[in-house]
Amino acid sequence: AQKVTQAQTEISVVEKEDVTLDCVYETRDTTYYLFWYKQPPSGELVFLIRRNSFDEQNEISGRYSWNFQKSTSSFNFTITASQVVDSAVYFCALSVAFWWGNKLVFGAGTILRVKS
Amino acid sequence: NAGVTQTPKFQVLKTGQSMTLQCAQDMNHEYMSWYRQDPGMGLRLIHYSVGAGITDQGEVPNGYNVSRSTTEDFPLRLLSAAPSQTSVYFCASTVGTGYGYTFGSGTRLTVV
Repeated sequence: AQKVTQAQTEISVVEKEDVTLDCVYETRDTTYYLFWYKQPPSGELVFLIRRNSFDEQNEISGRYSWNFQKSTSSFNFTITASQVVDSAVYFCALSVAFWWGNKLVFGAGTILRVKS
Repeated sequence: NAGVTQTPKFQVLKTGQSMTLQCAQDMNHEYMSWYRQDPGMGLRLIHYSVGAGITDQGEVPNGYNVSRSTTEDFPLRLLSAAPSQTSVYFCASTVGTGYGYTFGSGTRLTVV
């Protein structure tokens, strides 16, 4: 079975602080995909990044960076110099393929509050 | 491109009523899913489909039915609404494994 754990229920930071959101996943599959989604207060789900299990390169996109470590089954997300607009719920998710298709399994989410 | 369209955006039902949440996508995606979002529990998979005529149960299927007669549409039916089904429902679609899912804007359902 697949499982995603986001142990941090809620994080509060002051603007310009760096913050890391943790994600630990479980799967027996050798081929899988990891995602991060952002859900701002407006409620929609915004795709941030996708990473496959064969690509352990870290990725940086502006103030966002992701650290994928297969050895610890983690896919952590760091926001550098946080801004109030980063306040949202962030979800980590795992997708594996079956012969009939695929399923996307979510973690419980981390609420990030950035205060000015 | 409209992406994934969900209707209605808000709905209040009385216990025991039935209704259908609509979901349509115009991206020719084979895979479609329904999730419910509850505080502290993330998004949980209700039902999913890998193509027209093919559906299967997810993690929390009880009380819900689905069908997939076309590639574009994937309606979710509540047979007899219960207060425990008060939630925000999201429909999503993807072209295939490993690709990001596109989500609809959600339906906020309250059962009283």
